Amino acid sequence: QVQLVQSGAEVKKPGASVKVSCKASGYTFTSYGISWVRQAPGQGLEWMGWISAYNGNTNYAQKLQGRVTMTTDTSTSTAYMELRSLRSDDTAVYYCARDGYAVTDLFDYWGQGTLVTVSS
Amino acid sequence: SSELTQDPAVSVALGQTVRITCQGDSLRSYYASWYQQKPGQAPVLVIYGKNNRPSGIPDRFSGSSSGNTASLTITGAQAEDEADYYCNSRDSSGNHRGVFGGGTKLTVL
Repeated sequence: QVQLVQSGAEVKKPGASVKVSCKASGYTFTSYGISWVRQAPGQGLEWMGWISAYNGNTNYAQKLQGRVTMTTDTSTSTAYMELRSLRSDDTAVYYCARDGYAVTDLFDYWGQGTLVTVSS
Repeated sequence: SSELTQDPAVSVALGQTVRITCQGDSLRSYYASWYQQKPGQAPVLVIYGKNNRPSGIPDRFSGSSSGNTASLTITGAQAEDEADYYCNSRDSSGNHRGVFGGGTKLTVL
């Protein structure tokens, strides 16, 4: 069965960086992409960006350009999302989701979420 | 602000039919997908494409689209359908970036 298992909760200070991992199993990792979606407390879903596990192409939300980097390690079927220069409004649950391999398409499986808290 | 617009809240009587809508220019070119999210849980895909349900999603969930509006219909709403519902598609920039609607809180009375 398809599973996406994310790394554990993080607490970071403003200005720091965080790197969240998402380990995939139960399917051919390189036949799909991964999108990252975040949800601030009490708020809606926000699409952060997409990476193709097939060729490493990325597409980031305009508001996060320059602060976010998404990568994959095909040897371990793991996707990573790094967010830099953290601010308090980056406090959110971060989800990875399986997506299309060529462009963002739809999210048919989701990770369990990783809470990132940014606080001084 | 979101490029996809949803009503913040909708209510439905138990067993009745409810339609949740999502409006945006990009929906003239791309299908929406719909996600159900219950408190403390990750979202779940319920409808994608023209009107497709993933395995395990009850057939009371259906989708449709016309012009710049996509709709999710629940026919015979059940208590367990009470949740937040989000539409998703690509934005209207032509850069294939994703975008979510603001979400609709569905209350089953």
